[in-house]
Amino acid sequence: DAGVTQSPTHLIKTRGQQVTLRCSPISGHKSVSWYQQVLGQGPQFIFQYYEKEERGRGNFPDRFSARQFPNYSSELNVNALLLGDSALYLCASSRQGSYNSPLHFGNGTRLTVT
Amino acid sequence: AQRVTQPEKLLSVFKGAPVELKCNYSYSGSPELFWYVQYSRQRLQLLLRHISRESIKGFTADLNKGETSFHLKKPFAQEEDSAMYYCALTNNNDMRFGAGTRLTVKP
Repeated sequence: DAGVTQSPTHLIKTRGQQVTLRCSPISGHKSVSWYQQVLGQGPQFIFQYYEKEERGRGNFPDRFSARQFPNYSSELNVNALLLGDSALYLCASSRQGSYNSPLHFGNGTRLTVT
Repeated sequence: AQRVTQPEKLLSVFKGAPVELKCNYSYSGSPELFWYVQYSRQRLQLLLRHISRESIKGFTADLNKGETSFHLKKPFAQEEDSAMYYCALTNNNDMRFGAGTRLTVKP
């Protein structure tokens, strides 16, 4: 089992740029969730997708968007980057779409905005 | 609004001592609660969930609805328990995590 894979592992962008983060779930998992984790805090929910449809959205601005592909992989896009977007972005997959399904996390993408 | 509070950012105990990591929540409905753990250089992973009522690696957690708490306990801490622990709550709209407690078990 390869586990949840995320790419890239690290990324440096400048303010105003756009970024795309990628996630491949565990084989057989149909749900992907995205979380933002800033230093010293717990993960904060951004999106959940299940069977290619958005199931939930956290309290993030419209600059954040995501999608899920037919193979259940997912992309998180952030436009017009701000310094405050610097964080570890975690992807998690689960077998089902319910929120009480155990989450399997990737290692994250460390985004630095300068 | 639902909220998960872990009052201790850092907790240090000696090997063999009991350990309790506190988690308090605010939520008006019937929450489902979890503990996730992140060991050094590993990814965040599920430790246990309250609906399973199971003991994992010697850890247990009891949901106390009266005190709105879900504290994580282990009677005899081991050095390998040193890690970052996150309490999380779901209400079927999203998953909320606490800020985490870093547990250090000293030899």
